[in-house]
Amino acid sequence: DSGVTQTPKHLITATGQRVTLRCSPRSGDLSVYWYQQSLDQGLQFLIQYYNGEERAKGNILERFSAQQFPDLHSELNLSSLELGDSALYFCASSPGGQGVYNEQFFGPGTRLTVL
Amino acid sequence: AQKITQTQPGMFVQEKEAVTLDCTYDTSDPSYGLFWYKQPSSGEMIFLIYQGSYDQQNATEGRYSLNFQKARKSANLVISASQLGDSAMYFCAMREVPQGGSEKLVFGKGTKLTVNP
Repeated sequence: DSGVTQTPKHLITATGQRVTLRCSPRSGDLSVYWYQQSLDQGLQFLIQYYNGEERAKGNILERFSAQQFPDLHSELNLSSLELGDSALYFCASSPGGQGVYNEQFFGPGTRLTVL
Repeated sequence: AQKITQTQPGMFVQEKEAVTLDCTYDTSDPSYGLFWYKQPSSGEMIFLIYQGSYDQQNATEGRYSLNFQKARKSANLVISASQLGDSAMYFCAMREVPQGGSEKLVFGKGTKLTVNP
């Protein structure tokens, strides 16, 4: 158990819908990262937050957004869902922010299926 | 351009033997970090080992060691005394911290390791 929690574990929805994925980092970790893992694209970094502020952005679509709240939990919002958004979405956390070498600990993931 | 290359889509090893999983990377930044993660069939990502670009010694964690060859830009994972439970996907990842820019993280495509009894 990495100490990172993600809810829900599974999510099935329809095209055009909007969903919210939730992540609670390990106790004391300030950084939260979101990743998407799909069969064709592999594991892709989406976005990072550090202590409530966006710190780094990867291949995140404009239909997707995220935020980190004062209690450090984070939410990833996916809207206007398409079939291609079906993937495993991981959240990871680490203690530090930019410039600090920290391993990232991953949550169990949320499997999103868009029908 | 591919930043992290894992050339072995699949590898097989006999139980109790050692296996090396290859990883090469491409960066022009002097400051970076390299990670290996294990993903069993259950789906979770498990952190295995980390190597910083300025670390003088190769990282080791139990049965895992990282063969870091900076000049060759390679960071191969060595698993000693393979166990059946080592069967999984293994991902090499690089964290770049460029000057004045936001940190970037990139993963390789992964290597599927199968340990045979």
